[in-house]
Amino acid sequence: AQTVTQSQPEMSVQEAETVTLSCTYDTSENNYYLFWYKQPPSRQMILVIRQEAYKQQNATENRFSVNFQKAAKSFSLKISDSQLGDTAMYFCAFMKSAYSGAGSYQLTFGKGTKLSVIP
Amino acid sequence: DSGVTQTPKHLITATGQRVTLRCSPRSGDLSVYWYQQSLDQGLQFLIQYYNGEERAKGNILERFSAQQFPDLHSELNLSSLELGDSALYFCASSSSYNEQFFGPGTRLTVL
Repeated sequence: AQTVTQSQPEMSVQEAETVTLSCTYDTSENNYYLFWYKQPPSRQMILVIRQEAYKQQNATENRFSVNFQKAAKSFSLKISDSQLGDTAMYFCAFMKSAYSGAGSYQLTFGKGTKLSVIP
Repeated sequence: DSGVTQTPKHLITATGQRVTLRCSPRSGDLSVYWYQQSLDQGLQFLIQYYNGEERAKGNILERFSAQQFPDLHSELNLSSLELGDSALYFCASSSSYNEQFFGPGTRLTVL
């Protein structure tokens, strides 16, 4: 079974500054995906960024980037130029890849980090 | 807008009652996943259906059941409701096994 750990329950950052959210995971799978989801006060789950484990290059989506360290099983999210709209809960999630064989591909989530962007 | 729809948005009911939550996946997606988000348990996978068949079960109580119909919409049935069942229930759909698209959720309150 997979586990995902987010050790920072709450964080805050000044508007326009940079913040990094931490995530570690444990798995025996070799092929998998890692995700960061954002959940604003509206409660909608929004995919922020996705990383495929077999890719060494870190994923980037505009102001969002990850630092993926496969050997250390670490997957942190960096938000640059923080904006007020970034205020939300952020969840790190794991999903095994279809290349891992048969089975289900459900998401396993961490407990989340509540990020507040301060004007 | 993810393309996944869930009804109703809110549901308030009493202990011991039974409710049905409905989900329509994105057009063309064959897989539907149900997740429960509660304050104490966080986000947990409940059950997955693929093209009408149950594919996997997670931490789903025996009082809960689900099905996926030929038109691919899915229903999650919750019975003998308890206070602790109060939560946000999400449905997600996928077609490619590398990404899931979430609906807006159904907020269930059991009084």
